[in-house]
Amino acid sequence: EAGVVQSPRYKIIEKKQPVAFWCNPISGHNTLYWYLQNLGQGPELLIRYENEEAVDDSQLPKDRFSAERLKGVDSTLKIQPAELGDSAVYLCASSLGRTLTDTQYFGPGTRLTVL
Amino acid sequence: AQSVAQPEDQVNVAEGNPLTVKCTYSVSGNPYLFWYVQYPNRGLQFLLKYITGDNLVKGSYGFEAEFNKSQTSFHLKKPSALVSDSALYFCAVRDPGDYKLSFGAGTTVTVRA
Repeated sequence: EAGVVQSPRYKIIEKKQPVAFWCNPISGHNTLYWYLQNLGQGPELLIRYENEEAVDDSQLPKDRFSAERLKGVDSTLKIQPAELGDSAVYLCASSLGRTLTDTQYFGPGTRLTVL
Repeated sequence: AQSVAQPEDQVNVAEGNPLTVKCTYSVSGNPYLFWYVQYPNRGLQFLLKYITGDNLVKGSYGFEAEFNKSQTSFHLKKPSALVSDSALYFCAVRDPGDYKLSFGAGTTVTVRA
């Protein structure tokens, strides 16, 4: 079974430029998560989707961040414009979404460097 | 609000010796507890979880963890560490009724040959 797929793995951009990250969850997983992981810290939730609906986006900085999951499968996270402080690893995770005990499985992440 | 503490930034052990990575938690009800491992430039890999039942949970790669409700702890253990166990380990907690997973800051484990 394929795991969570993310691309690109690495991205280097200049500040004020836009950037987008793509995630394909494990097949059959209805719940999709985007996390931010700063160096030396644990991941922090940005947004959670149940199918195509964003059910928890309270931690997403909406002035510059946006996300979508149009058909309830793939998802895209966008930053526009990027700031120096956005340099981090962006992780995507998915789970079956049937119960609260479901395990979240993570992708390899996208390491963003903003110059 | 739920939270997790991993009191040790680093753990160093010799190969073949027991490995313990500590985790304490704070939640309002009975917790769901998870351990993940992260290798360099890779995402988090699920090791094990405690939901209910037996306090000793066995997981992947020979790891196990013991849930201790009175001490609010969920320490990760491995009887005999391998050099390949060197990685960053994260403990996470979920409050029943909430999908949010709260992670600790992580513990770097180094196993020397």
